[in-house]
Amino acid sequence: GQQVMQIPQYQHVQEGEDFTTYCNSSTTLSNIQWYKQRPGGHPVFLIQLVKSGEVKKQKRLTFQFGEAKKNSSLHITATQTTDVGTYFCAGRGAAGNKLTFGGGTRVLVKP
Amino acid sequence: NAGVTQTPKFQVLKTGQSMTLQCAQDMNHEYMSWYRQDPGMGLRLIHYSVGAGITDQGEVPNGYNVSRSTTEDFPLRLLSAAPSQTSVYFCASSYSWNTEAFFGQGTRLTVV
Repeated sequence: GQQVMQIPQYQHVQEGEDFTTYCNSSTTLSNIQWYKQRPGGHPVFLIQLVKSGEVKKQKRLTFQFGEAKKNSSLHITATQTTDVGTYFCAGRGAAGNKLTFGGGTRVLVKP
Repeated sequence: NAGVTQTPKFQVLKTGQSMTLQCAQDMNHEYMSWYRQDPGMGLRLIHYSVGAGITDQGEVPNGYNVSRSTTEDFPLRLLSAAPSQTSVYFCASSYSWNTEAFFGQGTRLTVV
């Protein structure tokens, strides 16, 4: 079945630095979503990418969908303590009904 | 709107006991799903439903049953609890299969 992998599993970032988390699927995706989960909380939707090569920005967050629609990335610039949490990508395959989550990247920010 | 409401928030079960985790949404969403979250493994899909009366299996369905008699409710039943089912369970709903998912607050289940 479809598998979605994320790297790195953990990311320790100095406040003010940039970092990127990567998401790779074993199959071509119809779309990909990103979620953020604060410690002790529930996943909250950030964005959805649908088109090949699509790039979307939300303030300091930049999301990209690969040309082959099998990978995606999230880049955060000038990391802040409010960015602490686990970031998940989640992809839908061609059949569409199932949303498969990656293992997540847990972000820790050093002030 | 309350969004997605899960009850209970915490539960301790003994091995072999059965119970139902409740999930209700008030957004008139067609698509609902149940995930379990274990450390380092992300969220794994247990069961999902694309509308009232329609359910299907996800990645890890064994040991769990669901039904969808109304649009609003999607309960998850543990038939005979096992320690391997100790996890945090999240219910989610979305307007359709390709729109954002709204998650409930989660149920932390411990099976001893």
